Amino acid sequence: KAGVTQTPRYLIKTRGQQVTLSCSPISGHRSVSWYQQTPGQGLQFLFEYFSETQRNKGNFPGRFSGRQFSNSRSEMNVSTLELGDSALYLCASSGNRGTYNEQFFGPGTRLTVL
Amino acid sequence: DQQVKQNSPSLSVQEGRISILNCDYTNSMFDYFLWYKKYPAEGPTFLISISSIKDKNEDGRFTVFLNKSAKHLSLHIVPSQPGDSAVYFCAASENPNLGSQGNLIFGKGTKLSVKP
Repeated sequence: KAGVTQTPRYLIKTRGQQVTLSCSPISGHRSVSWYQQTPGQGLQFLFEYFSETQRNKGNFPGRFSGRQFSNSRSEMNVSTLELGDSALYLCASSGNRGTYNEQFFGPGTRLTVL
Repeated sequence: DQQVKQNSPSLSVQEGRISILNCDYTNSMFDYFLWYKKYPAEGPTFLISISSIKDKNEDGRFTVFLNKSAKHLSLHIVPSQPGDSAVYFCAASENPNLGSQGNLIFGKGTKLSVKP
């Protein structure tokens, strides 16, 4: 069974630009969560989607948004990029039981904002 | 304000000895706790969890202890192996289920180095 895949793996953008990251969950998984990892703040929850609906949201500004498609693939968008958005963005998928201990993480997308 | 704290950024242990990683939390509503392991260039991998109704959970070489009154949990790895060298994250939630009230709150991680 293929794991969670994230594209691209690395990305360099400049301030003010916008970026879209993609996540393909494990086949059959309907829940996709996004996390941001930075050296200063550690791992922080962004949002979670289940069956194309945002089910939970962390404490991030509206510049961070996401969506989920009918095939459970998810995208995350960050508009008007700031230097502080440089981070590793992790996606995690979960099956029908939807518990944290059954959440599988992808390798992440490393975003650098110059 | 950090709700989950891992006060030791790094820990070095000799192969075969015990590794003890600590985690403190401040939110008394937290009811479910997890430990993750993360290798470079990979996403975190779930290791072990514990519910607040228990004070100990064991899985092979890994044991998690929970002291609710002290708001403290620890992960014991016995015996430690070089392959255990990774960053370990402690995380807490009010509920074990995704999509329910509260989110998963992570500590900043402890880098464990197990020397042969």
